[in-house]
Amino acid sequence: DADVTQTPRNRITKTGKRIMLECSQTKGHDRMYWYRQDPGLGLRLIYYSFDVKDINKGEISDGYSVSRQAQAKFSLSLESAIPNQTALYFCATSDLPRQTGLSYNEQFFGPGTRLTVL
Amino acid sequence: AQKITQTQPGMFVQEKEAVTLDCTYDTSDPSYGLFWYKQPSSGEMIFLIYQGSYDQQNATEGRYSLNFQKARKSANLVISASQLGDSAMYFCAMREASMDSSYKLIFGSGTRLLVRP
Repeated sequence: DADVTQTPRNRITKTGKRIMLECSQTKGHDRMYWYRQDPGLGLRLIYYSFDVKDINKGEISDGYSVSRQAQAKFSLSLESAIPNQTALYFCATSDLPRQTGLSYNEQFFGPGTRLTVL
Repeated sequence: AQKITQTQPGMFVQEKEAVTLDCTYDTSDPSYGLFWYKQPSSGEMIFLIYQGSYDQQNATEGRYSLNFQKARKSANLVISASQLGDSAMYFCAMREASMDSSYKLIFGSGTRLLVRP
């Protein structure tokens, strides 16, 4: 079974609709992240969370909200979807640093959710 | 200012040959990490290799190696003996030490590699 799962995998919705993308992980990691990917722009950070009580805005948080329901679950919501939010959305997790300063701590990505807003 | 630059939007390589994907970065932080991820057409992000700023040797993982030139702020990915399955999008990413310990990744725009038979 995958360590980081995302639901749904594909979603088509209409402008103005509210939509929630869900992410679950079994890796036991504290840190969770939401990114969006647009062609030619790489991945950009939307929100990140250290734990259920600590949520932070990323580079492009406008138009999005998140909820960390548990250590293992991190949801991304689009309150009123618009066409330019059409993108591939990724959830990722990482562990706490094992030592002071930077360490390896790769981020593990979910399979992605392809969202189309008409 | 763009922190990760991948100047090759697309590249071709002949099967079994080596290919280098370029990545330059910009940071004033002495402590940082550099990552390469592969994204096949199916869309998932696959971690390939990591290089820490204090690592003395270039990272290697199987057919992947990282040509790390710290003074030039470059971290090029070298794929040896290319295979058809290497055809994918490749992303370079950097993680800086941050005040909030978030260890966020900053991604480049990617390079699409096509391996020709």
